[in-house]
Amino acid sequence: DADVTQTPRNRITKTGKRIMLECSQTKGHDRMYWYRQDPGLGLRLIYYSFDVKDINKGEISDGYSVSRQAQAKFSLSLESAIPNQTALYFCATSDFDMRGYTFGSGTRLTVV
Amino acid sequence: AQKVTQAQTEISVVEKEDVTLDCVYETRDTTYYLFWYKQPPSGELVFLIRRNSFDEQNEISGRYSWNFQKSTSSFNFTITASQVVDSAVYFCALSPYNNNDMRFGAGTRLTVKP
Repeated sequence: DADVTQTPRNRITKTGKRIMLECSQTKGHDRMYWYRQDPGLGLRLIYYSFDVKDINKGEISDGYSVSRQAQAKFSLSLESAIPNQTALYFCATSDFDMRGYTFGSGTRLTVV
Repeated sequence: AQKVTQAQTEISVVEKEDVTLDCVYETRDTTYYLFWYKQPPSGELVFLIRRNSFDEQNEISGRYSWNFQKSTSSFNFTITASQVVDSAVYFCALSPYNNNDMRFGAGTRLTVKP
């Protein structure tokens, strides 16, 4: 099994729908992150969490919310999806020493 | 504010050529981490290296080498004797030492032709 698992891998949804992207990890890391990747823009941080009781906004949190259900689970929600949220979404984890992030395989989300 | 610039959007080389991917960063922090990640066509992101701001030693790992120069705020990545399997998008990233606000560059797409 992958260290960081994202579900679904691909999703097409309609404008205005609520959608949740899920992430689970087996690394035992406390720190988890959600990033979005757009062509020509690299990856941008949406939210991050240092532990179950800690949630922090990143660079582009508007239109998104997150939930840290357990140390191993961190989900990202789009309350009312819009077309410019079409992107590739990555979940990642890191240890306290920030040796390097471990990324999931990504979720390709299309909002039509 | 932190910023990472990868000025080369796309690079194309022929197999066995050497290629250098440039990364320039801006930060007000005195301590920070720099990273390189690889994103092959399959889409996953693979960690390649972390360097902290105290350590300006160059690093070599097989065909890969990294040149960190604090004086010019650069952290360049060289692939020697490139191979087709090196074809990928490469991201440079910067993070302050005490938090996890990692900022990525826009990426450089490297194509290695046989």
